[in-house]
Amino acid sequence: KNEVEQSPQNLTAQEGEFITINCSYSVGISALHWLQQHPGGGIVSLFMLSSGKKKHGRLIATINIQEKHSSLHITASHPRDSAVYICAVPRGAQKLVFGQGTRLTINP
Amino acid sequence: SAVISQKPSRDICQRGTSLTIQCQVDSQVTMMFWYRQQPGQSLTLIATANQGSEATYESGFVIDKFPISRPNLTFSTLTVSNMSPEDSSIYLCSVDGQGAAGYTFGSGTRLTVV
Repeated sequence: KNEVEQSPQNLTAQEGEFITINCSYSVGISALHWLQQHPGGGIVSLFMLSSGKKKHGRLIATINIQEKHSSLHITASHPRDSAVYICAVPRGAQKLVFGQGTRLTINP
Repeated sequence: SAVISQKPSRDICQRGTSLTIQCQVDSQVTMMFWYRQQPGQSLTLIATANQGSEATYESGFVIDKFPISRPNLTFSTLTVSNMSPEDSSIYLCSVDGQGAAGYTFGSGTRLTVV
């Protein structure tokens, strides 16, 4: 079992739908990262959170430390949200362990 | 948070040759990380580059294949040596940006070996 498991692996939705991507991890952590990777390969950090909830625009990230689970939500999804979303947790001195990613496609 | 300029963005190389990837950070950082992302896979850490010392390589990666330079606190290079088609991947550098969103990543180098 991987240290970081994401679901679903692939998600296709219509524009405007509410999107949820889940991440479960198996070890204690200090913080969890949500990343967005566009087709060109570049990665953008969306959130780093250690408790509760964070919101940035239409993106919301939540984490439950006791249950070792985090979710990324996208409200009013748009085709430009199409990307691979990756959760990652620290392992050792500033190293990250990554989930397999969720490929999101939003159709107009 | 830090901003990273990574180049080249993509390249197509002949097997047996080498490619050097550069990452320039707009601020001084202690550690830089180099990752490989093989097609359809998640990111795998190749090595951690510290200024003034040898890079620390992860299991399965060796210095002869992936030599790294870190001449100062804002710059690092990764060379992919004696390339084979199996080296076709996206290579990314990263730093701990110490900002609200944590890590900052370069834009990636998409390497195809033919």
